[in-house]
Amino acid sequence: QVQLVQSGAEVEKTGASVRVSCKASGYTFSNYYIHWVRQAPGQGLEWMGIINCSGGSTSYGQKFQGRVTMTRDRSTSTVYMELSSLRSEDTAVYYCARGSWYRGDYWGQGTLVTVSS
Amino acid sequence: QSALTQPRSVSGSPGQSVTISCTGTSSDVGAYNYVSWYQHHPGKAPKLMIYDVNKWPSGVPDRFSGSKSGNTASLTISGLQADDEADYYCCSYGGSNNLVFGGGTKLTVL
Repeated sequence: QVQLVQSGAEVEKTGASVRVSCKASGYTFSNYYIHWVRQAPGQGLEWMGIINCSGGSTSYGQKFQGRVTMTRDRSTSTVYMELSSLRSEDTAVYYCARGSWYRGDYWGQGTLVTVSS
Repeated sequence: QSALTQPRSVSGSPGQSVTISCTGTSSDVGAYNYVSWYQHHPGKAPKLMIYDVNKWPSGVPDRFSGSKSGNTASLTISGLQADDEADYYCCSYGGSNNLVFGGGTKLTVL
């Protein structure tokens, strides 16, 4: 069965970087994209970007351009999302989701990232 | 890119039908048939309910249906059940390699 297992909760200082991982199993990794979506406390879902797990090409949401980097490791079927220059507004649950370019059909369990000074 | 506009909340009684609207622009919802809908129970992972405006992923009951007219997409849930109570988000391709979500709608089953 398709599974996306994300890394555990992180607490980071303002200005630092955080890297969240998303390990995929149960399907052919290179045949799909992985999206990253976040939800800040009391807020809605926000699309951050997408990576093609075959070629590694990426597209990032305008809000995150210059601060986010998505990479993949085909040998371990793992995708990474790194967000730099963290600020308090980046406190959120971060989700990875497998799918086509236009949708996420299976989602990870979410990773809470807390940014504090 | 601005978020798509959804009502903050809707409600209905068990067995009834409710419709959630999702209004975008001619650059996103109106331009592409790539609207999807997600159900999100707090503390759990979002679940894809509808994709490409009106298609069902495997395992999603046909009580959930999607449609689109102009710049507005809609999700209709018929035969409301207690477990349908959740937050619902629309999402559309917005061109220029971007996806945009709606602000979310809280569905209350009375």
